[in-house]
Amino acid sequence: DTEVTQTPKHLVMGMTNKKSLKCEQHMGHRAMYWYKQKAKKPPELMFVYSYEKLSINESVPSRFSPECPNSSLLNLHLHALQPEDSALYLCASSQGTSGTRSEQFFGPGTRLTVL
Amino acid sequence: AQSVTQPDIHITVSEGASLELRCNYSYGATPYLFWYVQSPGQGLQLLLKYFSGDTLVQGIKGFEAEFKRSQSSFNLRKPSVHWSDAAEYFCAVADRGSTLGRLYFGRGTQLTVWP
Repeated sequence: DTEVTQTPKHLVMGMTNKKSLKCEQHMGHRAMYWYKQKAKKPPELMFVYSYEKLSINESVPSRFSPECPNSSLLNLHLHALQPEDSALYLCASSQGTSGTRSEQFFGPGTRLTVL
Repeated sequence: AQSVTQPDIHITVSEGASLELRCNYSYGATPYLFWYVQSPGQGLQLLLKYFSGDTLVQGIKGFEAEFKRSQSSFNLRKPSVHWSDAAEYFCAVADRGSTLGRLYFGRGTQLTVWP
């Protein structure tokens, strides 16, 4: 298995809802990433997990809460989001975070709309 | 911090014509270099990468890129463009000495292909 999967593909939520995004890989990678991407912009890094430990949090608002239950799975819990949080959320994984092991493989993304 | 410049926001070419997308980076040492392609609403697909060795690298879908140390450039080329190549192209770099796994993206170049 050489891919990163993300569910759901699309999500529409109200500002008071709680929802979660899920990302899975079965390549034996030990680093996983969440990115946010607005239209016509490059991806912006949100979080990095290395060996199931949070190693980077790019000052993301607390309404986004990441979780890495095991090395294959990465969740992003969403609560009390704002309309400006509407974006494509991309997950990526890599063998590690140093050297050539840091080559990242991306999932197809979840298109999030906050009403 | 790294900076990546893609000077062309939008390029239009005719099908069958050759293509060159430019990428320059700003960093003291040679980083790891990547080109990704993204179709609308999709995730990022790795086209090719440069870690070391031969400065002309071959990728998928008939793309190639040449690393030029003296110009801090990693330009993407394709000899004959197909309509299916229409997409957004991102150049990205990673710090060779980092253990954080962070990728620095250019702003992207939108490619339109005329039939």
